[in-house]
Amino acid sequence: NAGVTQTPKFRILKIGQSMTLQCTQDMNHNYMYWYRQDPGMGLKLIYYSVGAGITDKGEVPNGYNVSRSTTEDFPLRLELAAPSQTSVYFCASSIYSGYGYTFGSGTRLTVV
Amino acid sequence: DAKTTQPPSMDCAEGRAANLPCNHSTISGNEYVYWYRQIHSQGPQYIIHGLKNNETNEMASLIITEDRKSSTLILPHATLRDTAVYYCIVRVPTTSGTYKYIFGTGTRLKVLA
Repeated sequence: NAGVTQTPKFRILKIGQSMTLQCTQDMNHNYMYWYRQDPGMGLKLIYYSVGAGITDKGEVPNGYNVSRSTTEDFPLRLELAAPSQTSVYFCASSIYSGYGYTFGSGTRLTVV
Repeated sequence: DAKTTQPPSMDCAEGRAANLPCNHSTISGNEYVYWYRQIHSQGPQYIIHGLKNNETNEMASLIITEDRKSSTLILPHATLRDTAVYYCIVRVPTTSGTYKYIFGTGTRLKVLA
């Protein structure tokens, strides 16, 4: 049972480039989340989804987009990378919103 | 903004109980308290959660005061592998009818040999 899998683990982007951070879970969880964590800080919610075809903005959605075409996958898209998006990105899932989340191991992104 | 306040750091001797406090004085009646920990730069790990009754599982115990304005996470016999940042989180409702976590900066617990 793989849980929540994130790829890639590390990435360096140039300003203005775009990329997609992948997240997939094999637990049949309806709820999925994207967080970012800046150095020495707690996690901030970017986007979340309560099921396939349904997404909503979190605390810091600007500069990002998401889609949820299947229960398993919840990719995060950066269209025009900026240095302010340098961070560690975590994907998480839960069987319902009140249950404990399972987090992935993160993607460390640097924008230069 | 985070609805919780935690001390930035704590030390605990190996084998002793680690008691991590959290203040959530503005918590509403139906808001749960969750605890997670983050080891190194890994993804956070769920520990426990509760509403108003004390809770215990295989990892820890959660003691919530009667007025629900504060809580304490107890690791009964801390080991070196419990060294981590511990987050106390109040789950808040979203505009779409679900819930979300608002993370603070947590408590960095160091277990000493």
